[in-house]
Amino acid sequence: AAGVIQSPRHLIKEKRETATLKCYPIPRHDTVYWYQQGPGQDPQFLISFYEKMQSDKGSIPDRFSAQQFSDYHSELNMSSLELGDSALYFCASSPSGGSYEQYFGPGTRLTVT
Amino acid sequence: GNSVTQMEGPVTLSEEAFLTINCTYTATGYPSLFWYVQYPGEGLQLLLKATKADDKGSNKGFEATYRKETTSFHLEKGSVQVSDSAVYFCALMRGAGSYQLTFGKGTKLSVIP
Repeated sequence: AAGVIQSPRHLIKEKRETATLKCYPIPRHDTVYWYQQGPGQDPQFLISFYEKMQSDKGSIPDRFSAQQFSDYHSELNMSSLELGDSALYFCASSPSGGSYEQYFGPGTRLTVT
Repeated sequence: GNSVTQMEGPVTLSEEAFLTINCTYTATGYPSLFWYVQYPGEGLQLLLKATKADDKGSNKGFEATYRKETTSFHLEKGSVQVSDSAVYFCALMRGAGSYQLTFGKGTKLSVIP
């Protein structure tokens, strides 16, 4: 079965640089969620999109922005990177109109040096 | 606000031992409850879920019952295997327009032969 695809899987950036993370949801899933998991921490919700509109917002820094495109893939843009942004970034997708079960991708490991 | 409290790990068990990982929650309304598992270097996999009081979720020998009176969703397995070694996260989804997951801190389980 098709799963959530995230790219890149690993990314190394320097402080103050920008990064773009991509997420391709499971086919026919119209909702995308982004989570950040610091080392040894639980995942923290950042933001979600439903039908290309922002549907919910969590603890996403102002330096980060995200959007969902017409093909339902989503991108998380991160600017002015800080050392504390080093984390695993997960994307999850779910179909609407049901139990809203979220299926997670393998994550993008971002390292800021 | 919503929160999830899990028993702290790490938990080390011998193969075929009985497993219990405690999880309690605080939430308004009637949240849905989930257990996710994260194997080393991988993303989060949905293990089981329950959407209303007294529901029992089960999968791969794992079970958890949604207890509204004690606000708990403890994970159990009668006989663990080495392959069950992973980090287990309890999570809730409030619903009613908010579908973000709120996770517990995670419990690392190690099963030794």
